[in-house]
Amino acid sequence: DGGITQSPKYLFRKEGQNVTLSCEQNLNHDAMYWYRQDPGQGLRLIYYSQIVNDFQKGDIAEGYSVSREKKESFPLTVTSAQKNPTAFYLCASSDRGGTGELFFGEGSRLTVL
Amino acid sequence: AQSVTQPDIHITVSEGASLELRCNYSYGATPYLFWYVQSPGQGLQLLLKYFSGDTLVQGIKGFEAEFKRSQSSFNLRKPSVHWSDAAEYFCAVVVEGAQKLVFGQGTRLTINP
Repeated sequence: DGGITQSPKYLFRKEGQNVTLSCEQNLNHDAMYWYRQDPGQGLRLIYYSQIVNDFQKGDIAEGYSVSREKKESFPLTVTSAQKNPTAFYLCASSDRGGTGELFFGEGSRLTVL
Repeated sequence: AQSVTQPDIHITVSEGASLELRCNYSYGATPYLFWYVQSPGQGLQLLLKYFSGDTLVQGIKGFEAEFKRSQSSFNLRKPSVHWSDAAEYFCAVVVEGAQKLVFGQGTRLTINP
C-alpha cells in the first residue's frame, strides 16, 4: 500500500546526542515536511522540501537538520543544539503542484533522558 | 500575519449529541481549507477539504464543514457523535500558490457515554 513510513516509533536519547528520524514515502510525492507537535501547541513546521536536493527552513528549524538526497526519503536529525527535543515528530508529503493536502506518517516520539 | 484560530481547546459532548468545532482564518486570498483528525499517538487523517464550489463539503465518518467567506470561518459539524469520534481535530489552511499548510492549535474532543 502507498503511504508514509516513519521510524522508529519511539526513541530515547541522552542529552548531548544527535538522533536521526527516518521518513520514507512511496506516494511519488515531490514535497515532504517535518512537523513537531507539543501538547496544546498544534503542529509547528520544522523543515520542508519541494524537490530533491532542496529544502527550506520552517518556523522552528533551529537545532534540526535535514537532507533530501532521494525523492522518497526525508530524514530529520535532532541535534544536541535543540534545547527541548522531547516531542512527537510527524512527517508528511504532498504533490508539489497540488492543492496542499498532506499525507501523514504515524509519527515518532522522541524522549530525552 | 497569516493565521488559523481554533477558539476551543477542549470540548466535551455526550454520545449522540451534535457537534460543531470552530475554525477561523486570516488570509486575504482565497484559501484551501482542511480538517484533519488525530487519534492519540497517531498521525493525522484528512476528514474533508474545501477548494472551491459548493461551500458545504462532506467528509468521511459523517462529518461536514461549511465555508463562510464573510466570516472567514470553516466550522466542522456532525449531527450525532459516536464514542469513536473522541480525538483531536485540526483545521488547516493553505493559500493558492503557497508552499505550506498552516495549522490551528487543535481542539480535543471528549465524548461522554
